[in-house]
Amino acid sequence: EPEVTQTPSHQVTQMGQEVILRCVPISNHLYFYWYRQILGQKVEFLVSFYNNEISEKSEIFDDQFSVERPDGSNFTLKIRSTKLEDSAMYFCASGRQGNQPQHFGDGTRLSIL
Amino acid sequence: ELKVEQNPLFLSMQEGKNYTIYCNYSTTSDRLYWYRQDPGKSLESLFVLLSNGAVKQEGRLMASLDTKARLSTLHITAAVHDLSATYFCAVGMNRDDKIIFGKGTRLHILP
Repeated sequence: EPEVTQTPSHQVTQMGQEVILRCVPISNHLYFYWYRQILGQKVEFLVSFYNNEISEKSEIFDDQFSVERPDGSNFTLKIRSTKLEDSAMYFCASGRQGNQPQHFGDGTRLSIL
Repeated sequence: ELKVEQNPLFLSMQEGKNYTIYCNYSTTSDRLYWYRQDPGKSLESLFVLLSNGAVKQEGRLMASLDTKARLSTLHITAAVHDLSATYFCAVGMNRDDKIIFGKGTRLHILP
């Protein structure tokens, strides 16, 4: 069964550094998402992406965050200048349509030192 | 602003027992999801409920949706240890892409 793949599985970065999290969504999906989950807490929506542009973003997704779909397969989340509070598990998800279930990747654990 | 509340947040139960997890949401929605998360793992889609009165069943789990009451339930029948996990409900806002998650219900089933 096709799945969403994320790399790396764990990223350790110094505060203030830039980090790029990568995702390969399921190939025939059109909607792409990033979520984060701080340890032991709920899953929080960051951003959705459709038709090569952001369709929705949360207040967490400030100017330090950006997303890109640089080619036909990858979907990336960039954090420009990381802060301690960015430490979390970041999940990428994709869906065929807006009202279909979103399929989640295994996540990237981001640790900011 | 859409709020999603689950209860209980933690549930410890014996194998073989039945129980229900509740999910309330604050504004009109056109879709509701249930996800399962094992510790340190990703989220697995269990059910998508799209209309009032929708009921879906998979094994020992059954989900239902009452859009008028803005309530969904996830019922566990004759629980087994393998169902131990955290269960999240998530609600989609009308015509928006994002879904808002509840805090999750951590289910621990004792042998």
